[in-house]
Amino acid sequence: QQQVKQSPQSLIVQKGGIPIINCAYENTAFDYFPWYQQFPGKGPALLIAIRPDVSEKKEGRFTISFNKSAKQFSLHIMDSQPGDSATYFCAASWYSSASKIIFGSGTRLSIRP
Amino acid sequence: ETGVTQSPTHLIKTRGQQVTLRCSSQSGHNTVSWYQQALGQGPQFIFQYYREEENGRGNFPPRFSGLQFPNYSSELNVNALELDDSALYLCASTSRGKDTQYFGPGTRLTVL
Repeated sequence: QQQVKQSPQSLIVQKGGIPIINCAYENTAFDYFPWYQQFPGKGPALLIAIRPDVSEKKEGRFTISFNKSAKQFSLHIMDSQPGDSATYFCAASWYSSASKIIFGSGTRLSIRP
Repeated sequence: ETGVTQSPTHLIKTRGQQVTLRCSSQSGHNTVSWYQQALGQGPQFIFQYYREEENGRGNFPPRFSGLQFPNYSSELNVNALELDDSALYLCASTSRGKDTQYFGPGTRLTVL
């Protein structure tokens, strides 16, 4: 019930393409869905986040699409660049949990020049 | 504004030993969480500290313990180290009631 399932495990996209990473959750009590980007040897950095009362959120080249009825959300990266190559984690949390974040298993994204 | 810092960067211990990892929270943040990230996996929540008390714990045994100090910095202590404790240990800070957590660079612990 507390799991966040993420796919694909790895993804290779040509520069300029639009990688899409998908996540699904079971616990309807989750009310905050962040995406984190992690480079090798670094800690995760918040990329973008969404609440379930919104179906889409854009920040620069990054877009989250959220489907509350299906309990699914996804990250789209527009005009992808080699510098976007990193591991991406979807996550979920709920306020009453004292900000405990449940992470997905991660997607290793590689953008080919 | 100073970000989250952690020390040491890397650490090698042997099975059965004890280890202490340190974290300084981002300026203005009063809540610190610790996560364990095994190689190739997502971070797993260990526990959170607020007002110097443990405020939520994940599925980790009691040999994982922590402290928070009046300046909001924190320590993670692990006793009786096991090989499976080898991981990147991440500290994240936030302000109480806020959703966004900011992560430090982590401490890479290797248990031999």
